[in-house]
Amino acid sequence: AQSVTQLDSHVSVSEGTPVLLRCNYSSSYSPSLFWYVQHPNKGLQLLLKYTSAATLVKGINGFEAEFKKSETSFHLTKPSAHMSDAAEYFCVVRDTSGTYKYIFGTGTRLKVLA
Amino acid sequence: GAGVSQSPRYKVTKRGQDVTLRCDPISSHATLYWYQQALGQGPEFLTYFNYEAQPDKSGLPSDRFSAERPEGSISTLTIQRTEQRDSAMYRCSSGRPGSDTQYFGPGTRLTVL
Repeated sequence: AQSVTQLDSHVSVSEGTPVLLRCNYSSSYSPSLFWYVQHPNKGLQLLLKYTSAATLVKGINGFEAEFKKSETSFHLTKPSAHMSDAAEYFCVVRDTSGTYKYIFGTGTRLKVLA
Repeated sequence: GAGVSQSPRYKVTKRGQDVTLRCDPISSHATLYWYQQALGQGPEFLTYFNYEAQPDKSGLPSDRFSAERPEGSISTLTIQRTEQRDSAMYRCSSGRPGSDTQYFGPGTRLTVL
């Protein structure tokens, strides 16, 4: 079965410093991986997705993620945090074994300190 | 047009009552997913539609839960004889044919007293 593990439930960074949100996946197939962001009282928004093209994926708002098969990782990064980045972030793998489920991690809450 | 909408946004009900939640996907979107999100957790898959077909309902927790999408557009999720453990955020998403990008609605917060 496919799954994702988000290694940190909470991350705090100072404004202007780099962001690293960690995600490891488990998949028997070539995975489709996503990062979604959830701001308070809003729906989930797609940040970026990996679907077996370039291993470095650029998303919206300056975020990017690198697919590393050898490490089964898909960590999300941003060079410089902004106050508006404070939100909950979900790593997601799409089941490609015959069904079409999206399997979410438990989320990482990012806090940005002034 | 507009994004995915869900109604009601908040629902409070008493244990044992039936509730129906509604999802209006983006028009022409083929796929529609329902998720249950408990507090502090990620969304968990309940069921999914491809137009009006429902290929996978393996995530529905019990036979008290059912979903419909009779005309391939609007969908409803019905929970019969609600229990306190059904309290959660229920999220809906939709996607274009052949695309793996999902667009999410704002969710319905269900509280069962």
